[in-house]
Amino acid sequence: AQKITQTQPGMFVQEKEAVTLDCTYDTSDQSYGLFWYKQPSSGEMIFLIYQGSYDEQNATEGRYSLNFQKARKSANLVISASQLGDSAMYFCAMREGQIRNNDMRFGAGTRLTVKP
Amino acid sequence: DADVTQTPRNRITKTGKRIMLECSQTKGHDRMYWYRQDPGLGLRLIYYSFDVKDINKGEISDGYSVSRQAQAKFSLSLESAIPNQTALYFCATSRGGQTQYFGPGTRLLVL
Repeated sequence: AQKITQTQPGMFVQEKEAVTLDCTYDTSDQSYGLFWYKQPSSGEMIFLIYQGSYDEQNATEGRYSLNFQKARKSANLVISASQLGDSAMYFCAMREGQIRNNDMRFGAGTRLTVKP
Repeated sequence: DADVTQTPRNRITKTGKRIMLECSQTKGHDRMYWYRQDPGLGLRLIYYSFDVKDINKGEISDGYSVSRQAQAKFSLSLESAIPNQTALYFCATSRGGQTQYFGPGTRLLVL
């Protein structure tokens, strides 16, 4: 079964506007972590933001914030004030269970294009 | 200097050849990972290592082997490459089970 679902293969946003990239996940564990990575056209994977399942507040890192809705099992990435350099693939990922478990699963990704 | 490096960055090989991809890190992390990325499939875990003597299979380990030569080095081997192993390969590291940090990737083409 798909653990991480990103339903938007591609998204467009106007420069300086905000955009939300969707991510839903499936787990029966109480302890898990959610991650977002950015992959520009150059290919590297850049860590953006992390949310723990027990974190009460939504994670924020600069222009990135994670809209964590635990009951709905969603972990959407919000990028505020989009910049041209934000154009990239974005991957949501989840690590389940105890700390020894390294079964981190990735979604298929969303390609974001920022228009000038 | 990059914290996680991969060599080579690009490789073209022929079916049946043995090849090795290497990964080194200067982050001092204990855990290291190998993933492959195929279009539309995100990243999938091949192998991971908690330390030098603790290596584990991931989701798609068939056709691959690994060696953790030192805490800082983790290599991936394709014993007999086949065309469907053409992919982008990533090495990653983490301290414990925390955030994983990725190398720049190796593009492999198997003809």
